Amino acid sequence: GNSVTQMEGPVTLSEEAFLTINCTYTATGYPSLFWYVQYPGEGLQLLLKATKADDKGSNKGFEATYRKETTSFHLEKGSVQVSDSAVYFCALSDQANAGKSTFGDGTTLTVKP
Amino acid sequence: GAVVSQHPSRVICKSGTSVKIECRSLDFQATTMFWYRQFPKQSLMLMATSNEGSKATYEQGVEKDKFLINHASLTLSTLTVTSAHPEDSSFYICSARDGRAGGYEQYFGPGTRLTVT
Repeated sequence: GNSVTQMEGPVTLSEEAFLTINCTYTATGYPSLFWYVQYPGEGLQLLLKATKADDKGSNKGFEATYRKETTSFHLEKGSVQVSDSAVYFCALSDQANAGKSTFGDGTTLTVKP
Repeated sequence: GAVVSQHPSRVICKSGTSVKIECRSLDFQATTMFWYRQFPKQSLMLMATSNEGSKATYEQGVEKDKFLINHASLTLSTLTVTSAHPEDSSFYICSARDGRAGGYEQYFGPGTRLTVT
């Protein structure tokens, strides 16, 4: 079955530091890959996505590249802000699993001023 | 675009009563909606998949008689927690997929915090 493994947190960074959150996946088909962000007390928001190998998703300074050879979709941002403090979830969906999403366990990011 | 609302955002009920949570897609037609449960500092646990006009598909271990799901229209799905007990206290989140868009991304509601006393 499908699975997603995320870098364990929590991650604490200073403002303007470089961020990487690792994500690797296992899937039987050709999944679409996503990063979602959850702020305290809220639901999840789609941050970025990639639907095929070598695609790069980007949004709000965050980027992730779909690497089929390493089955990875690592999230990066060059300079984090305090407002980026949240929980980040890596996820995949594919037709083989009726379009259901498989989520990683989430990584909590705290950015200090 | 792609906004999903949930109501109520927070509810407190007494043990033994039933609670209904609504999930609405505001600006798109959601052929499929998902209901999740999230425990503190944990990931999302998929409870069921709801398709408009048909019965929901429940994940293994989820009691379908306790968690009643109705997807009566392309913009509304409801989750009713029947005979609630304190162990049902949790954060419930719905999501919806835009059937016309063809992709697999899900758009999430803001969640409902249920507390059973």
